[in-house]
Amino acid sequence: EPEVTQTPSHQVTQMGQEVILRCVPISNHLYFYWYRQILGQKVEFLVSFYNNEISEKSEIFDDQFSVERPDGSNFTLKIRSTKLEDSAMYFCASSDLFGTADTQYFGPGTRLTVL
Amino acid sequence: AQRVTQPEKLLSVFKGAPVELKCNYSYSGSPELFWYVQYSRQRLQLLLRHISRESIKGFTADLNKGETSFHLKKPFAQEEDSAMYYCALKVGAGGTSYGKLTFGQGTILTVHP
Repeated sequence: EPEVTQTPSHQVTQMGQEVILRCVPISNHLYFYWYRQILGQKVEFLVSFYNNEISEKSEIFDDQFSVERPDGSNFTLKIRSTKLEDSAMYFCASSDLFGTADTQYFGPGTRLTVL
Repeated sequence: AQRVTQPEKLLSVFKGAPVELKCNYSYSGSPELFWYVQYSRQRLQLLLRHISRESIKGFTADLNKGETSFHLKKPFAQEEDSAMYYCALKVGAGGTSYGKLTFGQGTILTVHP
């Protein structure tokens, strides 16, 4: 069964550094999402992406964050200048439909640690 | 703004006992409700959604709009049901937010032998 994959599984970085988290959505999916979960807290929506554009973003997704689909398979989340509070598990998800009939399939997550 | 509340962080039952994981939501429109499950060292996966009205792995959940609840139930818990369970809400058709999932805090269910 096809799955969403994410790399790396764990990323450690210094505060102020740029990080890129990578996701490979399921191949026929068209809608892509990033969520994050700070340790002990809820899974929070960051951004949704369709047709090479951001569909919706949360208040968390400020100018430090950006998303890109650089080719036909990857979907990336970039954090330009990481802060300590960006330490979290980041989940990518994808779906093939939008709205009522969609099911979002999640990747295993990337644990980002900012020192 | 929509919100999902799961009042129990931890829930322990014995094998064969009934289990109910509570979920309450706040949203003024017509939401779609989901239960996601995360087994140990595995990814988040959809367990069931209210519009399907199906039973998965013996679990059912009924959307109660009057009580704004979507509790997850199983009459006879099994050890393999031990996992983290998340209730999630998506704004339904006609809403301005269409795709974004809002999650509850999650409930860790432990089923003892």
